[in-house]
Amino acid sequence: DGGITQSPKYLFRKEGQNVTLSCEQNLNHDAMYWYRQDPGQGLRLIYYSQIVNDFQKGDIAEGYSVSREKKESFPLTVTSAQKNPTAFYLCASTPVGHTTEAFFGQGTRLTVV
Amino acid sequence: SQELEQSPQSLIVQEGKNLTINCTSSKTLYGLYWYKQKYGEGLIFLMMLQKGGEEKSHEKITAKLDEKKQQSSLHITASQPSHAGIYLCGAAGSARQLTFGSGTQLTVLP
Repeated sequence: DGGITQSPKYLFRKEGQNVTLSCEQNLNHDAMYWYRQDPGQGLRLIYYSQIVNDFQKGDIAEGYSVSREKKESFPLTVTSAQKNPTAFYLCASTPVGHTTEAFFGQGTRLTVV
Repeated sequence: SQELEQSPQSLIVQEGKNLTINCTSSKTLYGLYWYKQKYGEGLIFLMMLQKGGEEKSHEKITAKLDEKKQQSSLHITASQPSHAGIYLCGAAGSARQLTFGSGTQLTVLP
């Protein structure tokens, strides 16, 4: 079945450590996105990529980094520079040039301990 | 940048009652998406609206986009416990990235 897979579902990180969240899709979508969701709030855009080897900052990119070496994969690294990383992270993808909806993964809940 | 305001922030209704959730944009909407989310899970796509005055329905859920394309509403008829969750409206940007409202938490009491 086609879809977006995020792993792990739960992640714990010690302060000062970098951690990488995985996002893989087999939908052959060109564009991929990372969003952050805090309790009681909507989603905010961290980074997005419309094509392999290219990506752009979203509204809250500080403290995060991404790579897009393969069409299927768009990992997000939460660095130690991110001051408040505890949140729910969602990955999404869309086909470029089509007016279709974004498909979302099941999310990763990151907790700093 | 575009901002979306959703209201109400939370809603508690008795099963069988109708309800409406509103989404207002600071700018003209060129693609308005409605999603539903169960707590701690991903987003489930409900409907997309693009044209002024457009209305779409799926089962007991109807979404509308006003003529000026700055306001959308989501209406649920005869609510059921399965409708409970967080409803989010999102506006598409030039790179298909979405700007979301803050969400509406819906509780349906049996």
